[in-house]
Formats: sequence, structure tokens, C-alpha cells
Amino acid sequence: GAVVSQHPSWVICKSGTSVKIECRSLDFQATTMFWYRQFPKQSLMLMATSNEGSKATYEQGVEKDKFLINHASLTLSTLTVTSAHPEDSSFYICSARSPGGLETQYFGPGTRLLVL
Amino acid sequence: RKEVEQDPGPFNVPEGATVAFNCTYSNSASQSFFWYRQDCRKEPKLLMSVYSSGNEDGRFTAQLNRASQYISLLIRDSKLSDSATYLCVVNTREYGNKLVFGAGTILRVKS
Repeated sequence: GAVVSQHPSWVICKSGTSVKIECRSLDFQATTMFWYRQFPKQSLMLMATSNEGSKATYEQGVEKDKFLINHASLTLSTLTVTSAHPEDSSFYICSARSPGGLETQYFGPGTRLLVL
Repeated sequence: RKEVEQDPGPFNVPEGATVAFNCTYSNSASQSFFWYRQDCRKEPKLLMSVYSSGNEDGRFTAQLNRASQYISLLIRDSKLSDSATYLCVVNTREYGNKLVFGAGTILRVKS
């Protein structure tokens, strides 16, 4: 199946710093990527939908100025957590929709963020 | 009310047992349904899609009841390696093909 990578897999940072997470589709072009967040023992929550060449669409309650998304190419989307705080500590997962597929999404391995 | 609801479990079963998970969804316009598996500290992986006629993949059988807005997953002859969290996932196209995840059901298979 299609492969999606994320980098880094682990981040530990001080409160107030910004953290950038990369999501790449390795063997296909993804016009749409999704960013999710998962807190312990909770479900994945969609944060935003990232569309190549246009602005991301954010879900209700997600601050677009805090979670900056850039989808500059068909294989790369980035999520930047600006001025991170301890409550931003979570598991961030991206996914990419397969080409020609309306529903199948392939998930990256996730990034664990710990803000001290 | 949550869009997708699952019994969190955990379900503790012996090897070889048959176990069933249920899931209900609230949006009657939902069109596609899936079961994903998530191992601890890992990303979710697609286990199987769920079709109206029901479908089977080896030891796994999925059923969909649109009238009751209910989805099930049956695992036969449980293996230790089946231990994971099983996520019920629904896709509603009217919301732009977004996947909505249940919180998951924990399965622990013990020898």
C-alpha cells in the first residue's frame, strides 16, 4: 500500500517554542492531506484538511494561527505548532488520501510532542 | 452525542475465543464505514472496509446495519497478535469525505 512518512517521530521542547512536523507521501501524489491529534485514551480528532496550493480548512475549535499548515507540494504538508504549551502535548498524525480514491487514507506513523 | 460510539472495553479473552465489537453512528448520511486497528503508540491501520452485504476477511467479519446505524466486527479464533485497539470509522461525504473515528475498543487476547 501507499506509504506516508512523518518527521520527527518524537519531539520534546520547552514551552513557548515552535515545532514543525513534516508529512510526506512517498510513493504517490496527495492533493489532500489531513492532520489529526490524539490525546491518551481518546479518539483521533481531525484538526484540519490540507489542500495542495491552497489554504487549509480547519475544524471548529482549532486555532489556525496556532497550528500553521502549509501544503506546498503534492508530496509534502507541514504542521507548525506555534508557541507550544504543555496542553499541546499530544500524538499528531497525518494522513494522505490515495490518488483517485475518495475514501482511502494512509496514515503516517505519528509524531509524539511533549512540551515541558 | 458522539458521532461514532464504541464500548471502550477492555475485552479480555483467551486465545481461540470469538469476540465481537459493536459501534453506532449518529449521522444517517454516512456512506462509508471502516474498522481500523491501532497498536499502542502507533498510527491506525486499515483492517477492513464494511459493506452493506457484510464482508469477511479471514478470521474477521464485518457487518453493517444502516437502518439501525450499527456496525459490528467479529473476530474468530483470536490470536495474541490481535491484541490492539479497534477503531470504528465513518466517512460522511457531505462533510468533504472526512473520517470520523470512534474512541476505540481495547482487545486483550491472553494465552
